[in-house]
Amino acid sequence: SQQGEEDPQALSIQEGENATMNCSYKTSINNLQWYRQNSGRGLVHLILIRSNEREKHSGRLRVTLDTSKKSSSLLITASRAADTASYFCATDANSGGYNKLIFGAGTRLAVHP
Amino acid sequence: EAGVAQSPRYKIIEKRQSVAFWCNPISGHATLYWYQQILGQGPKLLIQFQNNGVVDDSQLPKDRFSAERLKGVDSTLKIQPAKLEDSAVYLCASSFTRNPAETQYFGPGTRLLVL
Repeated sequence: SQQGEEDPQALSIQEGENATMNCSYKTSINNLQWYRQNSGRGLVHLILIRSNEREKHSGRLRVTLDTSKKSSSLLITASRAADTASYFCATDANSGGYNKLIFGAGTRLAVHP
Repeated sequence: EAGVAQSPRYKIIEKRQSVAFWCNPISGHATLYWYQQILGQGPKLLIQFQNNGVVDDSQLPKDRFSAERLKGVDSTLKIQPAKLEDSAVYLCASSFTRNPAETQYFGPGTRLLVL
């Protein structure tokens, strides 16, 4: 079963607008990561936020984490056509006696010029 | 630094045939992962190696899937016999350690279509 659920499933915006994607999860975590996947490519790590952190920035990316609500959000500011991709949250969850990454179903972002 | 290499990039087979995928991780990465990504879903871990030992294969359909990493470097994933539902992208990833906080580096994937 999937730990993370992204919302929305798909998002379409114009260049220059901000894009917000949300991730909810079920069990307690040590950290949460966001990955990007361009069409036909592998995943690329974007950012990691630890369970004791509330917000983290990296360039045009801003990630928040609310452990009380078991949710995270990824904000991409001033979006560009090159940001068009699928975005996945991944949580580390204990399964079978050790922690491993479990990915959500992803949000497909389309940024139109 | 060279990334994770995978081959082939695409494969089309008929059901009940066998297929093998190859992965070469980033040099020095002890941990290697094989994921299955069905269209519209996130990657699902099939098997995780630490050097040449299996850490987790709980979601590997062992009646038809097998994987090995004999010398602790490159790895092969085999499906025999393939079913229609095995159509997916098979992603290989590697990381320096098995700590889940460690960044995983993904290859481009092998897109498998089973007819």
